[in-house]
Amino acid sequence: SQQGEEDPQALSIQEGENATMNCSYKTSINNLQWYRQNSGRGLVHLILIRSNEREKHSGRLRVTLDTSKKSSSLLITASRAADTASYFCATNNAGNMLTFGGGTRLMVKP
Amino acid sequence: DAGITQSPRHKVTETGTPVTLRCHQTENHRYMYWYRQDPGHGLRLIHYSYGVKDTDKGEVSDGYSVSRSKTEDFLLTLESATSSQTSVYFCATGQSHEQYFGPGTRLTVT
Repeated sequence: SQQGEEDPQALSIQEGENATMNCSYKTSINNLQWYRQNSGRGLVHLILIRSNEREKHSGRLRVTLDTSKKSSSLLITASRAADTASYFCATNNAGNMLTFGGGTRLMVKP
Repeated sequence: DAGITQSPRHKVTETGTPVTLRCHQTENHRYMYWYRQDPGHGLRLIHYSYGVKDTDKGEVSDGYSVSRSKTEDFLLTLESATSSQTSVYFCATGQSHEQYFGPGTRLTVT
């Protein structure tokens, strides 16, 4: 079963706009991670937020975590056509395993 | 995809035949993972390894076996391929804070 569920499943925006994706999960976690997948490629790690953190930034990425609601959001600011990809959240709740959500497909139109 | 290769990249096989997929890493990571990716399901863990000859089952292990005789190689075998095993298979290495993914193998079972 999936631990994380992303919302929306698909998102289409214009270049320069911000993109927000949400992830909900079911059980307590050690950390939550976001990954990006370009078409036909493997996943690439973007950012990690620990369970005791509420917000994290990395370049144009901003991640928030609300453990009381068991949810996280990924914000991509000033999006570019090159940001077009699928984005997945993954939770770590024990050991070295990750559980992935179903992903959000982002399309950024030039 | 740095340091992780998968072979073959594409394979078409018939129902009932055995299939072996190979993952090779150059990073000397202890942990290795096999996932399958299907539309609407994100990535689901099949099997993982925490060292040479040390493996364990993941969420969707039925019909699959693995072997790890060397740190750098992790093999996934479909003992008797079925159409439900048509999928994209990803190998990954890493730990709880980050995983690194190979480029994937697209397997079609006819």
